[in-house]
Amino acid sequence: DTAVSQTPKYLVTQMGNDKSIKCEQNLGHDTMYWYKQDSKKFLKIMFSYNNKELIINETVPNRFSPKSPDKAHLNLHINSLELGDSAVYFCASSLRGEQFFGPGTRLTVL
Amino acid sequence: EDQVTQSPEALRLQEGESSSLNCSYTVSGLRGLFWYRQDPGKGPEFLFTLYSAGEEKEKERLKATLTKKESFLHITAPKPEDSATYLCAVQATGDYKLSFGAGTTVTVRA
Repeated sequence: DTAVSQTPKYLVTQMGNDKSIKCEQNLGHDTMYWYKQDSKKFLKIMFSYNNKELIINETVPNRFSPKSPDKAHLNLHINSLELGDSAVYFCASSLRGEQFFGPGTRLTVL
Repeated sequence: EDQVTQSPEALRLQEGESSSLNCSYTVSGLRGLFWYRQDPGKGPEFLFTLYSAGEEKEKERLKATLTKKESFLHITAPKPEDSATYLCAVQATGDYKLSFGAGTTVTVRA
């Protein structure tokens, strides 16, 4: 009964590759988010979609592109991966205020 | 820009030794202040939302309070299973995103 799920949990790849992370929520929420947690554990918002419409697009390199095929899914595609992209990426969803987070995807760029 | 500062960075407690974590914030207009717990290798787990100064919420050994400038998370008679990183976040009025602090890592020794 996972509320917010992400795949894969771990992703190890070479610099310059393109990769995707998938997120699904079964909570019936309208809004979904991508956060990045760096090595110092600091969580920072990247993107948010509300009913499949992009509503938050923080200062993120345009190599990162979110896509929301429907309300329950939000994917993150990253082009031309760089060493600095190594981090844990969390998906979250919310209905009004409280946000519920997925288990995270640890991305390691070699 | 919204700012959240948590202190201390780390807290080591003996089992049963009560203590408090601090979260200071500046936000243009507060919609809500959120507390999360994060265990190693997992996503943040929602604990509390506080909406207005003077409000208090309790859950087992945890109690969160809110003033106009800060929030406290009190841990009463902690147990080793309370060991985790506790994250504070604010949401501004009319905004969707959460702005997080860097967290306080609590270690409770038996």
